[in-house]
Amino acid sequence: KAGVTQTPRYLIKTRGQQVTLSCSPISGHRSVSWYQQTPGQGLQFLFEYFSETQRNKGNFPGRFSGRQFSNSRSEMNVSTLELGDSALYLCASSDRDRASGELFFGEGSRLTVL
Amino acid sequence: GESVGLHLPTLSVQEGDNSIINCAYSNSASDYFIWYKQESGKGPQFIIDIRSNMDKRQGQRVTVLLNKTVKHLSLQIAATQPGDSAVYFCAAPPGGSYIPTFGRGTSLIVHP
Repeated sequence: KAGVTQTPRYLIKTRGQQVTLSCSPISGHRSVSWYQQTPGQGLQFLFEYFSETQRNKGNFPGRFSGRQFSNSRSEMNVSTLELGDSALYLCASSDRDRASGELFFGEGSRLTVL
Repeated sequence: GESVGLHLPTLSVQEGDNSIINCAYSNSASDYFIWYKQESGKGPQFIIDIRSNMDKRQGQRVTVLLNKTVKHLSLQIAATQPGDSAVYFCAAPPGGSYIPTFGRGTSLIVHP
């Protein structure tokens, strides 16, 4: 069974631009969560989707948004990029009806904002 | 606010030694605790979990201990191997939520 796939793995943007990251969960998993990982703040929860609905949202500004498609694939978007948005963005899927317990993480998308 | 934290940012051990990674949590309503391992360049990987009605749970070479009185849990790795070198995170959903809050992580360095 293929794992969680995130694309792109690496990307460089400049301040003010926007970025879209993609996540394909493990087949059959309907819960998809997004996390931001930085050296200073660790793993911070962004949002969780289940059956195309956002069920939970972390404490991030509205520049951070996401969506989930009918095939459970998910995208997250960051608009008006700031230097502080440079981070590893991790997607995790779960085979349970909620994003608790064992989360299966992808390898992440490393975003650098210049 | 809610917090989950590890006691040491870095732990160095010799191959073959036992490793103990500690974690403290603040929310007594957390009823579920998880340990993840993150190797360089990869996403976190689930290791083991424990529910609050348990004090100890064992896996393959790993044991998690939970002390609810002092809000502390630990991950013990027996006969540590170079492949165990990674960052280890404890995580716990705060009471009223099922979204886990992650600690900052402890970097385990295993010297051959």
